[in-house]
Amino acid sequence: GAGVSQSPSNKVTEKGKDVELRCDPISGHTALYWYRQSLGQGLEFLIYFQGNSAPDKSGLPSDRFSAERTGGSVSTLTIQRTQQEDSAVYLCASSSRSRGEAFFGQGTRLTVV
Amino acid sequence: DQQVKQNSPSLSVQEGRISILNCDYTNSMFDYFLWYKKYPAEGPTFLISISSIKDKNEDGRFTVFLNKSAKHLSLHIVPSQPGDSAVYFCAASARGDFGNEKLTFGTGTRLTIIP
Repeated sequence: GAGVSQSPSNKVTEKGKDVELRCDPISGHTALYWYRQSLGQGLEFLIYFQGNSAPDKSGLPSDRFSAERTGGSVSTLTIQRTQQEDSAVYLCASSSRSRGEAFFGQGTRLTVV
Repeated sequence: DQQVKQNSPSLSVQEGRISILNCDYTNSMFDYFLWYKKYPAEGPTFLISISSIKDKNEDGRFTVFLNKSAKHLSLHIVPSQPGDSAVYFCAASARGDFGNEKLTFGTGTRLTIIP
């Protein structure tokens, strides 16, 4: 497809379980972002990949969160030992080097019960 | 440390009138500014942007104004339409060695257009 694709669209998991969220960016986009939006809150930056540079992980809230981007394309955000406060919509976005606007996917709604 | 601030969590405007959404930033390295619109259960969609070399950018009903000395930008929507009801996010970035650096978002303003 032409847009950013995220899967799954919804995920319900039990507290303490690990989850993996997937993002397929727009083809050719060198930058990839993960954000999350908790209920009633703004967009919280998590991690940023730009080309072959070391990712900016400054937004990851704890060491339970990690992300990787394979081959400069698909990215996976992993949350280990999920907690209830991890419940949020996780949004992925990508952008090209020359243009700053990022294009977002539909998000993955994560619910930890 | 909130580098991009939207101090109004909500705004209501009569249909047909002008909507003005405001945003302030603290990081003087920011040189590119964007506005996004978000409907419930959807990802944010890009609306309009402005680089720091300009003070105004217009696209149809949407105009963004940048006041660098005040570190302030605003989005004007005129005339406002019911479909404009959404949450609007302001975002900013700086240009680094490898292209634009990460986007920093404000907390959003919920705009409601009253028919």
